[in-house]
Amino acid sequence: QKEVEQNSGPLSVPEGAIASLNCTYSDRGSQSFFWYRQYSGKSPELIMFIYSNGDKEDGRFTAQLNKASQYVSLLIRDSQPSDSATYLCAVLNTGGFKTIFGAGTRLFVKA
Amino acid sequence: NAGVTQTPKFQVLKTGQSMTLQCAQDMNHNSMYWYRQDPGMGLRLIYYSASEGTTDKGEVPNGYNVSRLNKREFSLRLESAAPSQTSVYFCASSDSPGETQYFGPGTRLLVL
Repeated sequence: QKEVEQNSGPLSVPEGAIASLNCTYSDRGSQSFFWYRQYSGKSPELIMFIYSNGDKEDGRFTAQLNKASQYVSLLIRDSQPSDSATYLCAVLNTGGFKTIFGAGTRLFVKA
Repeated sequence: NAGVTQTPKFQVLKTGQSMTLQCAQDMNHNSMYWYRQDPGMGLRLIYYSASEGTTDKGEVPNGYNVSRLNKREFSLRLESAAPSQTSVYFCASSDSPGETQYFGPGTRLLVL
């Protein structure tokens, strides 16, 4: 079992729809969770981080964390073609030094 | 503010050759990281340096060595390149371990 798992996609949504990206992790002691966006041929950049159970909203983005289920998700409201990218889920391990990345989910937003 | 810079951008090596990838950051960050990214594998941690003077192995350290030259610079060395090391290499930095990481533009390495 991979430490951080994501559906590789591609996930295709129409412009204006809600995109839902999911991630599960195996280390129960993980405390910090990150979502990075990576455009093709570019480097990853942070979208959001979340530490506590529940929802965290930032503009069109909402991160959701459920530690009991070891599940993190990212919702993108009013999806735009410019949101088309690969989204990487990242989890800080129990020791607090290593961040483990999932393989990423490719998102396509159709105009 | 350049952020995180990496050199070179592209490199082609023959099997058995050695090379050093350079990384520098100007954000006064304490922690630095080297990752490789392969199709379908996501980012895999090679080595990291939690603070100046320390380095530790990540998930895939075999075939690599690192040097934290000073607070700004963290280099990755391939002593004897193998085709399996063909990848895109990213350097990243953060204020401390576990904080948001800022990535360099990447180095594309092809080993023939």
